[in-house]
Amino acid sequence: GQNIDQPTEMTATEGAIVQINCTYQTSGFNGLFWYQQHAGEAPTFLSYNVLDGLEEKGRFSSFLSRSKGYSYLLLKELQMKDSASYLCAVRGAGNMLTFGGGTRLMVKP
Amino acid sequence: GAVVSQHPSWVICKSGTSVKIECRSLDFQATTMFWYRQFPKQSLMLMATSNEGSKATYEQGVEKDKFLINHASLTLSTLTVTSAHPEDSSFYICSALTPGSGVQETQYFGPGTRLLVL
Repeated sequence: GQNIDQPTEMTATEGAIVQINCTYQTSGFNGLFWYQQHAGEAPTFLSYNVLDGLEEKGRFSSFLSRSKGYSYLLLKELQMKDSASYLCAVRGAGNMLTFGGGTRLMVKP
Repeated sequence: GAVVSQHPSWVICKSGTSVKIECRSLDFQATTMFWYRQFPKQSLMLMATSNEGSKATYEQGVEKDKFLINHASLTLSTLTVTSAHPEDSSFYICSALTPGSGVQETQYFGPGTRLLVL
């Protein structure tokens, strides 16, 4: 089966750094995605990891450890517009994505 | 990047009516599309996998006779919510799978359709 866990909510301060963790147990692994979703909108792609290590893209970085079934999304220099839900998703067989419950991030001034 | 559209973006209907939602891949052909449902403050739940020219594959707990999926062409999949009831009110999102391999982002999401059943 598929089991993907991430914290439900997090709060951080504008300008700070926040790390959102994701652990997974899946039957088959073909990559891990992070998406950002603002309320009432569709998810937008942030990052993709298939090999162990850190992928950096501007203010956003994502890390993967396949042996530990663990990933995190790191957001630097937080801005108010980063307040959103962040979804961890694992791609399994057939290119199907299984989503975690999402982490609602609130950025405060 | 690839573009996926959904229509309508908003629909309000009376209980008992049927509602059709369209998902189109605008600049690529998608043999596979996915339909998700999202309730407020919850994550996306996969409802079904839509394959062009064949029957959709439904996830456990999703009634195939209530949520009819048709993927008649390589750029269009439709989801029909039959005899909609208030509990069907939700945010429905489709995604289309890009062809080929080695592409990092293989699923592109549509903007979603918000359904409200009165």
